[in-house]
Amino acid sequence: DAKTTQPNSMESNEEEPVHLPCNHSTISGTDYIHWYRQLPSQGPEYVIHGLTSNVNNRMASLAIAEDRKSSTLILHRATLRDAAVYYCILRDGGGSNYKLTFGKGTLLTVNP
Amino acid sequence: NAGVTQTPKFRVLKTGQSMTLLCAQDMNHEYMYWYRQDPGMGLRLIHYSVGEGTTAKGEVPDGYNVSRLKKQNFLLGLESAAPSQTSVYFCASSYIGWSSYNEQFFGPGTRLTVL
Repeated sequence: DAKTTQPNSMESNEEEPVHLPCNHSTISGTDYIHWYRQLPSQGPEYVIHGLTSNVNNRMASLAIAEDRKSSTLILHRATLRDAAVYYCILRDGGGSNYKLTFGKGTLLTVNP
Repeated sequence: NAGVTQTPKFRVLKTGQSMTLLCAQDMNHEYMYWYRQDPGMGLRLIHYSVGEGTTAKGEVPDGYNVSRLKKQNFLLGLESAAPSQTSVYFCASSYIGWSSYNEQFFGPGTRLTVL
């Protein structure tokens, strides 16, 4: 799987938007961009995924650069419950390779 | 609908002891996975299964064995525990294999300490 690069940590204030960046300069044409997050002492949970177009769901938005070499997870109004480690993962949409690559992710701190 | 459950939640072993971690899912998922997470690290895939009766090695399989005798259960075994296996273990399942549209559902984890 192609490699992703994320900042080690970010800080935000409650009820403000948060933009979590992810660089993936070696992304291939069939790689989907997935985001997961891991709340303290819990297993990871799915947040959102996309291929080329920007995506929205009830949890977040995903903005994908036109050249697909970077993407940004957007939390529109951060809450204390959004404090977690956020993982950006690339996955080949057509592949049968089940190996997953979780990096260290970005630790998001939300201040009250 | 309980999702993915793991048993036990915590366990302390002495070096050389054996144990089995149980993962169960009630979503009728075909694919199941075992990961480990060490402090400050992301998750690493140990073994996975693409269906009942099948297993395959992941990124860090040494020292572990798995079995998938029933579709809903995926067992992770440590035959002779070592301190290097001190970690948090997560089980996950998905409807079909990791693909563009199938999310993985994770269990709450098992915290294992090997003394």
